[in-house]
Amino acid sequence: ELKVEQNPLFLSMQEGKNYTIYCNYSTTSDRLYWYRQDPGKSLESLFVLLSNGAVKQEGRLMASLDTKARLSTLHITAAVHDLSATYFCAVALYLISNFGNEKLTFGTGTRLTIIP
Amino acid sequence: NAGVTQTPKFQVLKTGQSMTLQCAQDMNHEYMSWYRQDPGMGLRLIHYSVGAGITDQGEVPNGYNVSRSTTEDFPLRLLSAAPSQTSVYFCASSYSSWRINTGELFFGEGSRLTVL
Repeated sequence: ELKVEQNPLFLSMQEGKNYTIYCNYSTTSDRLYWYRQDPGKSLESLFVLLSNGAVKQEGRLMASLDTKARLSTLHITAAVHDLSATYFCAVALYLISNFGNEKLTFGTGTRLTIIP
Repeated sequence: NAGVTQTPKFQVLKTGQSMTLQCAQDMNHEYMSWYRQDPGMGLRLIHYSVGAGITDQGEVPNGYNVSRSTTEDFPLRLLSAAPSQTSVYFCASSYSSWRINTGELFFGEGSRLTVL
């Protein structure tokens, strides 16, 4: 069974600082997603990482995937208040029995609070 | 383009009552799914469907029923509500992964259910 662990679960950081959120998973996969959720809102797709070594960047966020280490990171550069949210990683397992679809397993999320 | 639409947004039930959460998407996605979100547990897959007439169980299917008579709609039925089903429910859809696509999920706004 695929296990997805995120750490830290809670992160409070000052504006302007850098930090990294980690996503470890237990079974071989080469497809990983990062989502953002604002309080009381839905999930918004941030990054799709489709292969080993994939790196995606959008503004102050950068995500990477190391399939050999079964690790993805979400790096925040010079944090600003607008980045306060809960961030989820989700790992895909390709299931032939699943009519060729993927099963996504989500991490428990990292609640990020940016302090002015 | 409405995307994924869920109704109702809020619902309070008494133990033993039944109800249906509605989900509709207008993106012609073959894949649709229901997740529940509970504090500290991330999102857990309840049921999913890879096309009209085809459904399967996810991680936590007990107490829930689904059907898929059209591509657009994927209702989730609670047969006899229990307090343990108090949660936020998200419907999500995507293209089937046998097409060339990223497998990215598009989420509805969520339905907050309280069972007393």
